[in-house]
Amino acid sequence: DSGVTQTPKHLITATGQRVTLRCSPRSGDLSVYWYQQSLDQGLQFLIQYYNGEERAKGNILERFSAQQFPDLHSELNLSSLELGDSALYFCASSVGSSGGVNTQYFGPGTRLTVL
Amino acid sequence: TQLLEQSPQFLSIQEGENLTVYCNSSSVFSSLQWYRQEPGEGPVLLVTVVTGGEVKKLKRLTFQFGDARKDSSLHITAAQPGDTGLYLCAGPIMDSNYQLIWGAGTKLIIKP
Repeated sequence: DSGVTQTPKHLITATGQRVTLRCSPRSGDLSVYWYQQSLDQGLQFLIQYYNGEERAKGNILERFSAQQFPDLHSELNLSSLELGDSALYFCASSVGSSGGVNTQYFGPGTRLTVL
Repeated sequence: TQLLEQSPQFLSIQEGENLTVYCNSSSVFSSLQWYRQEPGEGPVLLVTVVTGGEVKKLKRLTFQFGDARKDSSLHITAAQPGDTGLYLCAGPIMDSNYQLIWGAGTKLIIKP
């Protein structure tokens, strides 16, 4: 158990809909990262938050947005869903302090299926 | 642009065989990490290598960081079905200790 929780575990929805994925980081971790992983693909970095502020953006679509709340949990919002958005979405957290090695701890993922 | 290239992309071998997978870059990394991801689960850190030429062992897994800190290898001795998974290497983006660059991974299947 990494200490990172994600809900829901599975999500099935229709094209055009909007969904929210939730992540709670490990206790004490200030950084949260969101990744997308399509079938048999590597991890695609979407976005990172650090202590409530956006820190880095990757290949995140404009239809997607995220935020990190004062209690450090994070939500990833996906809207106007398309079939191609079907994937595993992972949240990871890290301490996020400067210096040293950054180890990311991953949650169990949310499997999104868009029909 | 920093990139991490992993090879092979896919490897299927019999239980008991040895194997090596690679993580290569043209860029220097301050450290590299190896993660293993099992189907339907999130990646889990196996090891971090920091010093050029460093060798770390984790039971039957041996990790090496290249002398120039541009590449790393993972060698598995006497592979077991439990070693099956996606092996990912990752390294910190230059000037950032927060964000990692990820390789595309090597999908390893060990057949009983």
